[in-house]
Amino acid sequence: EAQVTQNPRYLITVTGKKLTVTCSQNMNHEYMSWYRQDPGLGLRQIYYSMNVEVTDKGDVPEGYKVSRKEKRNFPLILESPSPNQTSLYFCASSLLGVGGYTFGSGTRLTVV
Amino acid sequence: GQQVMQIPQYQHVQEGEDFTTYCNSSTTLSNIQWYKQRPGGHPVFLIQLVKSGEVKKQKRLTFQFGEAKKNSSLHITATQTTDVGTYFCAGRDTGGGNKLTFGTGTQLKVEL
Repeated sequence: EAQVTQNPRYLITVTGKKLTVTCSQNMNHEYMSWYRQDPGLGLRQIYYSMNVEVTDKGDVPEGYKVSRKEKRNFPLILESPSPNQTSLYFCASSLLGVGGYTFGSGTRLTVV
Repeated sequence: GQQVMQIPQYQHVQEGEDFTTYCNSSTTLSNIQWYKQRPGGHPVFLIQLVKSGEVKKQKRLTFQFGEAKKNSSLHITATQTTDVGTYFCAGRDTGGGNKLTFGTGTQLKVEL
């Protein structure tokens, strides 16, 4: 089944403790992206990648890092999480310039 | 940067009533997409519109892309409880990249 898999689904952590949210897709998509969703603000792009070893900042990249060492994986790294990063995070992938995004099931992160 | 506004933010309807959400971009778009997110779920791609003035239908859903390619609408005829969720438009700009800028979404509630 074609899908984007995110882990974990839920995570509660403390301020400053490094964490990684994993994202993997099995559709051979070139493009992958991370979004955060907050009430009233919609989906805002954090980082994106147009292919292996090619990443770039989205609209709200501060406090986040990403890497794209393999085509299928695009982890999101929070080196020192803060409470304002409490949010619902989605990973998405697509073919380049064509068609819609396929989203993962989401990761609800709480930073206390 | 590109902004995509969506109205209304919320809409409550009685089952059987019609529903429309509107999307406006600050810049001309190469295409526009629509997504549906069920409560507790992730955004799911519905459709993409590419041509100026394009109209597409999916059963009770009608999607339109404006002549200037800066606005779009989604109309649902005779809503059902299964239509409950948040509807997002997402615009791809004309710069040749793959980025989608999402609208803030319209949350639809359908009452029996």
